[in-house]
Amino acid sequence: AQSVTQLGSHVSVSEGALVLLRCNYSSSVPPYLFWYVQYPNQGLQLLLKYTSAATLVKGINGFEAEFKKSETSFHLTKPSAHMSDAAEYFCAVSDPGAQKLVFGQGTRLTINP
Amino acid sequence: GAGVSQTPSNKVTEKGKYVELRCDPISGHTALYWYRQSLGQGPEFLIYFQGTGAADDSGLPNDRFFAVRPEGSVSTLKIQRTERGDSAVYLCASSSAGGRVYNEQFFGPGTRLTVL
Repeated sequence: AQSVTQLGSHVSVSEGALVLLRCNYSSSVPPYLFWYVQYPNQGLQLLLKYTSAATLVKGINGFEAEFKKSETSFHLTKPSAHMSDAAEYFCAVSDPGAQKLVFGQGTRLTINP
Repeated sequence: GAGVSQTPSNKVTEKGKYVELRCDPISGHTALYWYRQSLGQGPEFLIYFQGTGAADDSGLPNDRFFAVRPEGSVSTLKIQRTERGDSAVYLCASSSAGGRVYNEQFFGPGTRLTVL
């Protein structure tokens, strides 16, 4: 069975600092991996996805993530945090043969001025 | 263009009552998904429709939960004999196709269900 672990339910960084949100997955087959963002009172929005092409994936709003098979990781980074990045971030995994997404428990990102 | 819409946005009911939650997918999307998000948790998969049929209902927690999509567009999630543990945000998503090719799932804002 697939699973996702997000290390740290809360992450706080200063504006302009590096953002690093950690995600490790478990899957019996080469997975598809995703990062979603959820702003207050809004639906989930896809930030980026890995579907077996380039291992370094660039997404919207300056975010990127690197698929590391040897570490079973898909950490999300952004070089310089902006106040508007404050939100809940979810990592998710999918079996390429299935359609359902398996989500981690989420990481709440706070940006300090 | 219009995104995924869900009604109602909030639903408060009493234990033991029946509720229906509605999802209007993006026009033309053949795949539709329901997830449940409990407080402080990530969304959990409930059911996936491809057209009118449920292609995967492995996430439905028990037989009190049922979902339909009779015309391959709007879907209704039905919960019988609600329990306090059913309180959560119910999310709907749609995508342009299913099968072995991944197509982005677009999520609605959710329906917050509170069972008193």
